[in-house]
Amino acid sequence: AQSVTQLGSHVSVSEGALVLLRCNYSSSVPPYLFWYVQYPNQGLQLLLKYTTGATLVKGINGFEAEFKKSETSFHLTKPSAHMSDAAEYFCAVTGNQFYFGTGTSLTVIP
Amino acid sequence: NAGVTQTPKFQVLKTGQSMTLQCAQDMNHEYMSWYRQDPGMGLRLIHYSVGAGITDQGEVPNGYNVSRSTTEDFPLRLLSAAPSQTSVYFCASSYSSPRGELFFGEGSRLTVL
Repeated sequence: AQSVTQLGSHVSVSEGALVLLRCNYSSSVPPYLFWYVQYPNQGLQLLLKYTTGATLVKGINGFEAEFKKSETSFHLTKPSAHMSDAAEYFCAVTGNQFYFGTGTSLTVIP
Repeated sequence: NAGVTQTPKFQVLKTGQSMTLQCAQDMNHEYMSWYRQDPGMGLRLIHYSVGAGITDQGEVPNGYNVSRSTTEDFPLRLLSAAPSQTSVYFCASSYSSPRGELFFGEGSRLTVL
């Protein structure tokens, strides 16, 4: 079975500060891992994904995530937050289906 | 370049009414799915389909029906709407289920009074 836990339903950072959104997963098979972003009143868009190979994955808008098998984690980071990063972020793992976390709402303080 | 199209975007129903949420994709994706999004609960899978003529239940299927007569369309039917079905519904499709990227529609906001 697969599941995802996102630690922190709300995260606030100052503009220009590091963004760190946490995701831990459980999977009985080699996982494919995803981060999606949802802007207000829109659907979800793919930020980045890990399938196989390099464990540090770079995505759009300066985001990246590192797959750490020993820690069963796939945390999302961005070195410098921008106002436009304010959104809801979802981590997901796939096995036989997509399993989404409950989401983290990111607020960027000017 | 339409991608995944959902209609209607907004709908208000009375308890007991039925309705269909439409979903169409133009990417020739075999895999299609319906999710509901509720505050604090993330996205929960309602039904999914791995190809025309094949559907299966997800995590929260009760009160919903689906069919898949063509590759392009995957409608979601609410048989007798209940206030607990007030939610935002998303249709999503993927070329390579379920390991491939999911492409989402913009959502349908349903309110059941």
